[in-house]
Amino acid sequence: DADVTQTPRNRITKTGKRIMLECSQTKGHDRMYWYRQDPGLGLRLIYYSFDVKDINKGEISDGYSVSRQAQAKFSLSLESAIPNQTALYFCATSDPGGVYTQYFGPGTRLTVL
Amino acid sequence: GENVEQHPSTLSVQEGDSAVIKCTYSDSASNYFPWYKQELGKRPQLIIDIRSNVGEKKDQRIAVTLNKTAKHFSLHITETQPEDSAVYFCAASKTGNQFYFGTGTSLTVIP
Repeated sequence: DADVTQTPRNRITKTGKRIMLECSQTKGHDRMYWYRQDPGLGLRLIYYSFDVKDINKGEISDGYSVSRQAQAKFSLSLESAIPNQTALYFCATSDPGGVYTQYFGPGTRLTVL
Repeated sequence: GENVEQHPSTLSVQEGDSAVIKCTYSDSASNYFPWYKQELGKRPQLIIDIRSNVGEKKDQRIAVTLNKTAKHFSLHITETQPEDSAVYFCAASKTGNQFYFGTGTSLTVIP
């Protein structure tokens, strides 16, 4: 779904480095989400935002922070990356108008050495 | 919070057979249950969903059933085809707020 984009698509970094993953959407949705996917663990919610001024922690927010710069942009930061944050990260959006369908970005594969 | 369990973790079927994937949830207030298909290297994509006021929903070869009393819901794929091979995730949500996902089922359809 080209309406939700993520940058970078792949990133290799070292322990202790600060990393920012970016998500942009042209779907006009208010709700945006960050998930991480690990083999055998499914998708786990890190943070979600219902509008620019509304940011909420998900199941596994420790070690992460987010910024909602505009309705269309939602960034995820790892302040000091550690190896167990190696994962596939997905951004998603949804329309609060009662449809609930989530649309996922293409994912960012992050490796922390 | 909500806890979603999904079984089996892997499933192999012969082409043309049916496949069934089951999920249970813990929060009786959850009222929206989507199913996502994720092909290798791709993003999850919604294939079907059901709300708590409906017991069954069908879309061509796929169907979802929901038992609110038992707090479980299932995905049924009939007449499976090789292109159905993928990882399938169930999820539960209260009015589209937080989504809680199962751990996924890797489905292989053997030609």
